[in-house]
Amino acid sequence: SQQGEEDPQALSIQEGENATMNCSYKTSINNLQWYRQNSGRGLVHLILIRSNEREKHSGRLRVTLDTSKKSSSLLITASRAADTASYFCATDAIKAAGNKLTFGGGTRVLVKP
Amino acid sequence: GAGVSQSPSNKVTEKGKDVELRCDPISGHTALYWYRQSLGQGLEFLIYFQGNSAPDKSGLPSDRFSAERTGGSVSTLTIQRTQQEDSAVYLCASSFNRGGYNEQFFGPGTRLTVL
Repeated sequence: SQQGEEDPQALSIQEGENATMNCSYKTSINNLQWYRQNSGRGLVHLILIRSNEREKHSGRLRVTLDTSKKSSSLLITASRAADTASYFCATDAIKAAGNKLTFGGGTRVLVKP
Repeated sequence: GAGVSQSPSNKVTEKGKDVELRCDPISGHTALYWYRQSLGQGLEFLIYFQGNSAPDKSGLPSDRFSAERTGGSVSTLTIQRTQQEDSAVYLCASSFNRGGYNEQFFGPGTRLTVL
């Protein structure tokens, strides 16, 4: 299975509610990143959290990282219809060569107006 | 400034034909990545170029797939003798890869359809 796996695979909420999605991974990492993808095209970087950080905020986004459990969560507060997208976590594993990211399968979020 | 661009945005081809997909990374980015994404799925890593180092080709699914990066900038992904299972969106990304921060900037992708 993949290094990063998101859960749930799909999420449907009402505008104004919070959306929480989780990511689990297998190997030790340098950092973990979250990306958003609209309409099956290019991904947009949202936030990066380093392995020595436990929580990070950016606007309505809150990311946590628990390296002991090898898991991360992304919380979107006060969701808007425009937040409808797929969200992917990506891990930068500690290894000798390069900084290749490994992406999970994504969480599809639908925010209903 | 300009982001990552890819061309063509859509490509329809017949089974058995060769296709070339192009990626123009952000100027100054030393790393360039190709991914493949099938409908409703996550990203599948294909190949990674970092500066003048030998590329990491570990994700290429078969010898029909190849890529090159000329002059450390533009990259071309070539698929020979295309098959229907090659149909997917092909995404290119570039990054600085400095100081432990390797945020990737993605292009809009090329949607490949093999009939």
